[in-house]
Amino acid sequence: NAGVTQTPKFRVLKTGQSMTLLCAQDMNHEYMYWYRQDPGMGLRLIHYSVGEGTTAKGEVPDGYNVSRLKKQNFLLGLESAAPSQTSVYFCASGAGPSNSPLHFGNGTRLTVT
Amino acid sequence: AQKVTQAQTEISVVEKEDVTLDCVYETRDTTYYLFWYKQPPSGELVFLIRRNSFDEQNEISGRYSWNFQKSTSSFNFTITASQVVDSAVYFCALSEEFQAGTALIFGKGTTLSVSS
Repeated sequence: NAGVTQTPKFRVLKTGQSMTLLCAQDMNHEYMYWYRQDPGMGLRLIHYSVGEGTTAKGEVPDGYNVSRLKKQNFLLGLESAAPSQTSVYFCASGAGPSNSPLHFGNGTRLTVT
Repeated sequence: AQKVTQAQTEISVVEKEDVTLDCVYETRDTTYYLFWYKQPPSGELVFLIRRNSFDEQNEISGRYSWNFQKSTSSFNFTITASQVVDSAVYFCALSEEFQAGTALIFGKGTTLSVSS
């Protein structure tokens, strides 16, 4: 069982570069989320999606864009990376908080220099 | 305002001690869900428990137990007879209704260190 798969696992960017993080889930979940984890800050919600073709802003959406063209995939884009976006990014999926817990990927460690 | 407060940033105990991790939440929803997740040093997030707002029964699972009290908006987690393998960051989370759906809001986490 793959569960939730994030690629890449690690990435180093220079300020101003762009990149896309990919999240794929094989559990047919409707809900997908992107969080970032920073020391002492816990996990903060960036964007989320409640179904194919839908996206919405979370707590800290600035500087990020997302797309959910297929139900199983949720992409997180950084158009112009900044050092403040250095973080560990986690993707999660779920059938909905009332039905099941979130299943998390193993994270992507991103460093922006 | 912080929705989920984990006031204890770090806790250090010696093996076999009992330890309680505190979680206080704030919500206007009448129906909501509370969660605990564990993040061991390897970095993955492991689901421990989900509790809905209508179920105030305490739950015990092996050495783990949870005390949910709506009157104090708390959902505390106790590890009995702690072990080195319990060393991890523990997160409490609350379901929150956003504009387009429900998401989990996490506390800042409590780092538990268990020494032998």
